[in-house]
Amino acid sequence: NAGVMQNPRHLVRRRGQEARLRCSPMKGHSHVYWYRQLPEEGLKFMVYLQKENIIDESGMPKERFSAEFPKEGPSILRIQQVVRGDSAAYFCASSPPFFRGGTDTQYFGPGTRLTVL
Amino acid sequence: DAKTTQPTSMDCAEGRAANLPCNHSTISGNEYVYWYRQIHSQGPQYIIHGLKNNETNEMASLIITEDRKSSTLILPHATLRDTAVYYCIVRVSTGAGSYQLTFGKGTKLSVIP
Repeated sequence: NAGVMQNPRHLVRRRGQEARLRCSPMKGHSHVYWYRQLPEEGLKFMVYLQKENIIDESGMPKERFSAEFPKEGPSILRIQQVVRGDSAAYFCASSPPFFRGGTDTQYFGPGTRLTVL
Repeated sequence: DAKTTQPTSMDCAEGRAANLPCNHSTISGNEYVYWYRQIHSQGPQYIIHGLKNNETNEMASLIITEDRKSSTLILPHATLRDTAVYYCIVRVSTGAGSYQLTFGKGTKLSVIP
């Protein structure tokens, strides 16, 4: 029973390049969340997606960042024209569909460490 | 979601119980208490959660006071691998719209040989 999978685990980009981070949720989970952790700081919520829908992107920077969760395939967090300040660990979490009486515990992947040179 | 307060750091001798406190005095009736930990720079690991009853699983026990204003996470026999930052998070659950996990600074637990 595989957990949340993220790839790549480490990504190095030069300023101005694009970064694509992938997240495959746990089996049976249809909800995906992205968080960012800057060095020496706590995790900050970025975006919440369900299949083919962005539910809440209130934590996403207004420019250069986008996320998707297509009907088939992993969720993608895309950062265009990266800058040094984008260097961080990006974590994806997934949770099962909501149902009455249950809880939507989020389970995290190992993260992608992005370094911008 | 309600704000939580945790000690910055704690030490625990290997093999002894680690008791990590958390204050959440403004918790609402429909908010759950969740505990996660982050070992070094790995992804946060879910430990346990509860609403008002005490809970136990294979990793830990969660004791919630009767007024629900504070809770304690108990690792019954701490090992060196339990050294991590432990986060207490309060949130509404089950599709009520408050799905963001708000991570504070947590408690850095050091298990000492």
